[in-house]
Amino acid sequence: QPVLTQSSSASASLGSSVKLTCTLSSGHSSYIIAWHQHQPGKAPRYLMKLEGSGSYNKGSGVPDRFSGSSSGADRYLTISNLQSEDEADYYCETWDSNTRVFGGGTNLTVL
Amino acid sequence: EVQLVESGGGLVQPGGSLRLSCAASGFTFRIYEMNWVRQAPGKGLEWVSFISSSGSSIYYADSVKGRFTISRDNAKNSLYLQMNSLRAEDTAVYYCARVSGEGSVDYWGQGTLVTVSS
Repeated sequence: QPVLTQSSSASASLGSSVKLTCTLSSGHSSYIIAWHQHQPGKAPRYLMKLEGSGSYNKGSGVPDRFSGSSSGADRYLTISNLQSEDEADYYCETWDSNTRVFGGGTNLTVL
Repeated sequence: EVQLVESGGGLVQPGGSLRLSCAASGFTFRIYEMNWVRQAPGKGLEWVSFISSSGSSIYYADSVKGRFTISRDNAKNSLYLQMNSLRAEDTAVYYCARVSGEGSVDYWGQGTLVTVSS
């Protein structure tokens, strides 16, 4: 089954941009993933589905500041013009015929 | 508006049982696949179980296989998770999550806390 690898933490300044990475395991580099945002005490929120081609579809109400891209086995989430409310954990997700996998999550701090 | 509302969490002793429920509204529940996903304290998200729209296909994470049972009642727009032989490591917030037509989770509930402790 696929494995997703994420850095445990990231930080960036208010108003700047940050690029979070999710890496698919060997043999699974073509998989589609999804990005989710999870703020403490709230329900996780679906951000987008991201294909290996770099094509992405965002969820309802997700700001234009959020975008996705891909390179090989890497899937990226870029947040532009960082706001304080973007401080959260970000998880990538992928799925197979009989399983679903989440990355370990990246805790994003907005400085 | 899509809403998923979990209930049934609480404190239970090791070896005990608990049944979680998820009430769905704002969409045609019977045509969507559903999952349970959990988050242990200080940990990341962990997939627990999947059920197809009709209930004919069911899958579990190895960590809960043989102890947990997922089910659904499409007439009641409800998803369930029967948890038996609970262990301390099952302590987590349990989320009900809808699967989109494209395969990813696209809506989450607020979660219900399960604490397994003596």
